[in-house]
Amino acid sequence: AQKVTQAQTEISVVEKEDVTLDCVYETRDTTYYLFWYKQPPSGELVFLIRRNSFDEQNEISGRYSWNFQKSTSSFNFTITASQVVDSAVYFCALSSNDYKLSFGAGTTVTVRA
Amino acid sequence: NAGVTQTPKFQVLKTGQSMTLQCAQDMNHEYMSWYRQDPGMGLRLIHYSVGAGITDQGEVPNGYNVSRSTTEDFPLRLLSAAPSQTSVYFCASSILSDRRPYEQYFGPGTRLTVT
Repeated sequence: AQKVTQAQTEISVVEKEDVTLDCVYETRDTTYYLFWYKQPPSGELVFLIRRNSFDEQNEISGRYSWNFQKSTSSFNFTITASQVVDSAVYFCALSSNDYKLSFGAGTTVTVRA
Repeated sequence: NAGVTQTPKFQVLKTGQSMTLQCAQDMNHEYMSWYRQDPGMGLRLIHYSVGAGITDQGEVPNGYNVSRSTTEDFPLRLLSAAPSQTSVYFCASSILSDRRPYEQYFGPGTRLTVT
């Protein structure tokens, strides 16, 4: 069985603040993939990043960065210097050895001008 | 390259009616899946397929049927619609890597209301 928990339901920040979204996962498999998706108000789901369980390097892409820690089963996502266009629902997801992708409940980020 | 397409975008059904949500992808992906999205619950997997002729149940399969006769198409059938099936439905596809779905490409979604 696999499970993803996003404890933060909603986060509201003022533009230019940093915001960190927490993601904790559970799986018995040693090989798995972790993902982050963004769902802007328009409703489509946009892939942001995939992380392989064997690769614990942190990743930075522009204002986005991800911190993967196997020791705490966490894959946290930080938006630096947030902008209004970052307002969206962000989902963390996990796929392991049973063909299924499990999503967290999502965190709604609101960035106020 | 259209990616993943879904039809219709919106649908209103009466309780007890049946209908089929269409999903097609043109990326030759082995893996296709259907999710429903309800407020506060994220996306929940309804059914998935790892290739033509192969389907299996996800987390919330009751009340839904699927089939996969071709690599491209993966329709979702509601047998007898109920108000509890009011939701936004997303179809997605991906390659498989060592039996695990890779990043999924999502369709634009179908907003279904059952009255």
